[in-house]
Amino acid sequence: GAVVSQHPSWVICKSGTSVKIECRSLDFQATTMFWYRQFPKQSLMLMATSNEGSKATYEQGVEKDKFLINHASLTLSTLTVTSAHPEDSSFYICSARDIGTSGAGEQYFGPGTRLTVT
Amino acid sequence: GEDVEQSLFLSVREGDSSVINCTYTDSSSTYLYWYKQEPGAGLQLLTYIFSNMDMKQDQRLTVLLNKKDKHLSLRIADTQTGDSAIYFCAESYTGTASKLTFGTGTRLQVTL
Repeated sequence: GAVVSQHPSWVICKSGTSVKIECRSLDFQATTMFWYRQFPKQSLMLMATSNEGSKATYEQGVEKDKFLINHASLTLSTLTVTSAHPEDSSFYICSARDIGTSGAGEQYFGPGTRLTVT
Repeated sequence: GEDVEQSLFLSVREGDSSVINCTYTDSSSTYLYWYKQEPGAGLQLLTYIFSNMDMKQDQRLTVLLNKKDKHLSLRIADTQTGDSAIYFCAESYTGTASKLTFGTGTRLQVTL
C-alpha cells in the first residue's frame, strides 16, 4: 500500500519549452501533496505544498509563475515547469500524505523525475 | 529557523552495526523521521519517532532521540550490502501540517 507514482521518470526538453510532471497516489487519497527538488548529492528542497481544490503554497524563493502546480483531484497533482532553462535541470520528487493516516503525517514519496533542459 | 545536520559519509563492514547521526535545531519538532534513498530513486520511509519518545525499535532499526541535545540517531543492526544508500533524517513541527525539513543526508557504504 501507499504507492506514489510519477510520470515521466525521465525527460529531456529544449530551453524555452514547458514540461509537465504528474504525481499520483495509486492506492490512497491525498489532500496534500508536496513537490521537492533535489540537486546531485544534495538534500531535498521543498518547493511547494499542493492542496486539493485550492492554490498551492510556495516556499520562499520559488517562482510560482514558473512552477505551476495543479491538484485537481485527491489522487493527482501536476507540476509544470514553464519556459524551462538549463538551470531548471534537476531531480523533481513528489510526495503525498494519506488522509487516512495518524497524526504522524507520514509522507510517501514518488520515484522522482529527472529533468534535463538542453 | 530550522536546520538539520548530518555527517556526509559512513562506511561499515557487512554484519557490523551502523549508526547514523542527526542534529536539529527546532525544539518544537513533533515528529522525526528517517528516510532511505537508493540511487536515482525516491525516498522510502523507514521509521519515525514522536518527540516525547526516547527510543523506538523496529526489527533491525533502532531510533534514539535525545531531545535535550536535539540529537537523533538511527542504528542499523547486522548491516547488509542492500542497506547501502543515502539516509535522510527529517523533522516536522506539527504532524498534521506534514511539512518536512530534511537533513543533508548521510551516504552509507557497506563493504564486504
